[in-house]
This record gives sequence, C-alpha cells and structure tokens, in this order.
Amino acid sequence: SQQGEEDPQALSIQEGENATMNCSYKTSINNLQWYRQNSGRGLVHLILIRSNEREKHSGRLRVTLDTSKKSSSLLITASRAADTASYFCATPDRGSTLGRLYFGRGTQLTVWP
Amino acid sequence: NAGVTQTPKFQVLKTGQSMTLQCAQDMNHEYMSWYRQDPGMGLRLIHYSVGAGITDQGEVPNGYNVSRSTTEDFPLRLLSAAPSQTSVYFCASTSGQVYNEQFFGPGTRLTVL
Repeated sequence: SQQGEEDPQALSIQEGENATMNCSYKTSINNLQWYRQNSGRGLVHLILIRSNEREKHSGRLRVTLDTSKKSSSLLITASRAADTASYFCATPDRGSTLGRLYFGRGTQLTVWP
Repeated sequence: NAGVTQTPKFQVLKTGQSMTLQCAQDMNHEYMSWYRQDPGMGLRLIHYSVGAGITDQGEVPNGYNVSRSTTEDFPLRLLSAAPSQTSVYFCASTSGQVYNEQFFGPGTRLTVL
C-alpha cells in the first residue's frame, strides 16, 4: 500500500502557535496532497506539492517534501481556533495519472482560544 | 456550481436490506470515487470510475456495486447491508489531470443494525 501515515495522531496547541504535522509514505510518488476535514464534513483540498518541488506556500500553510526520506510536513503558522480539524496527507496511485488517492489516518489538530 | 452532492445525509438500515447512495457532480469531471471513513482508519477507496461506462475496484470493494451511466452520476449500491458497513461514505471527483486535487461531497452517515 502507498498509504501515508501522519504523525502525530493528535496535536493540541494555543492560538497563535505554529502547528506541524508530518506524513510518511512508502513508495515513489508524483505528488503529495494535504486535505482538511472539519468535524462532520467532507474533505477539503489544501495544497498539492509535486515530486520535483521541495517547498510550497499557501497563505499560512507551508508544505515541504523530502522524496529521499519519503516524508512531507505541513506547517500552519499563527494558528487560529478555526484551524481545528483533522488533516490528512494523500498520495496518488503509483504510476497512475488517474484520480485514485491513498489517505493516511490523519492528525487531529485542536487549537485553543 | 453545486460541486459534489450526496444523498441521503443519514441512513439507518437493518442487516440484509439494500440501498443506493447517490452521488452527483456538475463539474464535468471524468473521474469519480467512493471512499469509506471509519474511526482510526482514515479513508479507504471502495470503487472508482474513470469515465462513463468504466469502473474499477479499490481497496475494499466487497459488498458494494457501482455503475457509471453518465458523467455526472456515480451511485454506490449495497445489495445486502451488514453491520461492518456502518461507516461514513464520501464521494469525490477530479478532473483527472496528472496533478489532481479531489473534490469531496459532504458524506453519508450509514448505520446498519
């Protein structure tokens, strides 16, 4: 399986602090994606990083990718209570250009006011 | 655009009953997928489709059938529900480009008694 695994499983921080979540995967990929899921809702795409990229920014999000270590990290800076959610990394099916994604089990982030 | 819609939002079935979970998208996406989400398990792919008339199995296809008669619709059928199928079901679609983000519906929470 190419399933990614997020670490930690749960993270609790105060507003204003930074939150870092990590993802490890097993096989070669052409991209890695991060999604957010608010409680009781569907997943929302946050950011995609390609295998030839090492770092990518989107607003308060910063994603890194280290293909040699098969790992990625998601950093949320200056966190807000509204960032409370589960965060998942996802990797496409190996060698596929199609829409199949494999998801990790997620990191539950809680941001306290 | 409504994006990806799913009905119903909640459903309770008795063991052995059948039902169809509906999924529709209005983004003209070729690729559609069904996932189930169980506590501590992340999302697992059930079935997917790369276009009208074409479907294939994912990680956990047993007990589920799909068909894709139109680009817009991708229903998931449970022929004989079992308690092990109690889960939250998400439908997703993507444009199918090589670097592809997926758009998720709001989910259907299914309980099988």
